[in-house]
Amino acid sequence: AQKVTQAQTEISVVEKEDVTLDCVYETRDTTYYLFWYKQPPSGELVFLIRRNSFDEQNEISGRYSWNFQKSTSSFNFTITASQVVDSAVYFCALFSGSARQLTFGSGTQLTVLP
Amino acid sequence: NAGVMQNPRHLVRRRGQEARLRCSPMKGHSHVYWYRQLPEEGLKFMVYLQKENIIDESGMPKERFSAEFPKEGPSILRIQQVVRGDSAAYFCASSPPLPGLAGGNEQFFGPGTRLTVL
Repeated sequence: AQKVTQAQTEISVVEKEDVTLDCVYETRDTTYYLFWYKQPPSGELVFLIRRNSFDEQNEISGRYSWNFQKSTSSFNFTITASQVVDSAVYFCALFSGSARQLTFGSGTQLTVLP
Repeated sequence: NAGVMQNPRHLVRRRGQEARLRCSPMKGHSHVYWYRQLPEEGLKFMVYLQKENIIDESGMPKERFSAEFPKEGPSILRIQQVVRGDSAAYFCASSPPLPGLAGGNEQFFGPGTRLTVL
């Protein structure tokens, strides 16, 4: 069975602080994909990143970076120098062939205060 | 290249009525997924369809809910005799026709339909 855990329900930071959102996953498959999505107050889902299970290289995209560690089954997301526009719910998700569906975590509500 | 389209964006129904939610996948995508997001919760998988076939409906409630993806036209999620507990955001996603994990299965999401049952 697939499972994604986002233990942080809500995080509040002040603008320009760095913030890390945690994601821990469970799967028996050796081949799988991990995703992060952003859901702003408007409600749509915005794709941020996809990583496959064979690529453990960390990735940086502007102020966003992702740390994938298979040894701890974690795929954490860091926002550097946060901005008010980063305020949203962030979802981590797992896709594996045996499930053929995205399994989402419960989300982390990030609030960035001015 | 238009993205995944869902309509209506907002739907209000009274208890006992039927709700029909439509999803047009991205051009060239033949796989459609439906997810439900209850208030204050994450998204939960409902059903996975390919053209004219239901591949996996393990997340669908056993009664009142049905889904189809006909050869022509959009995918439809149908909820009969709605109840207040059906109030949620329903998201559709589509992916390219590659069935395996290699290079495929990235799901592109529509804007969602927000169903309110009075």
